[in-house]
Amino acid sequence: SAVISQKPSRDICQRGTSLTIQCQVDSQVTMMFWYRQQPGQSLTLIATANQGSEATYESGFVIDKFPISRPNLTFSTLTVSNMSPEDSSIYLCSVEMLAKLDNEQFFGPGTRLTVL
Amino acid sequence: AQKVTQAQTEISVVEKEDVTLDCVYETRDTTYYLFWYKQPPSGELVFLIRRNSFDEQNEISGRYSWNFQKSTSSFNFTITASQVVDSAVYFCALRPLVAGNMLTFGGGTRLMVKP
Repeated sequence: SAVISQKPSRDICQRGTSLTIQCQVDSQVTMMFWYRQQPGQSLTLIATANQGSEATYESGFVIDKFPISRPNLTFSTLTVSNMSPEDSSIYLCSVEMLAKLDNEQFFGPGTRLTVL
Repeated sequence: AQKVTQAQTEISVVEKEDVTLDCVYETRDTTYYLFWYKQPPSGELVFLIRRNSFDEQNEISGRYSWNFQKSTSSFNFTITASQVVDSAVYFCALRPLVAGNMLTFGGGTRLMVKP
């Protein structure tokens, strides 16, 4: 399995500021994803982080608001820009590994963001 | 389009009771994976099981068991002799078999086990 760490684990931020969340994996992975979980809600995919190219965003999410980087096979960042209280959520990094004939998918511990 | 429905938003049981969490899905893919995850109050997402659409054999792991019925597009999860530590939100999810596809999550079922 993959060990995934996220920094910070939680943060409280002021409206209008930006926060960058880091996701580090202990082994090379094929795919990295970013999910958002709003309070009391299910998980929604924000984007797929592509190594060396622009991320692929899901409907309702745009690069200006959620810029993503993936410089290598083990690291990615998600920035939440110009935050508002509606951005208060848990943000989860997820990775997919090709293992034998199956595709294992794991989640990081999440970053709990509160915007005041 | 894919969709996962967990009709039970919240379930409350008393310790030692058995409880079944329902999951119904929709997909046009002929091959896919189904998952169950547990999310305790601490927030991390804990992987419980992955089942591929080829394999309808039911699975048991300790107090946990899963019933996959392709004919009814259901993948239900049963906890036997529930414990307080089972209290969490449980998510059912679906993903096409091809690598690189996103997980589609159900809305989650909050399970509360009372002593």
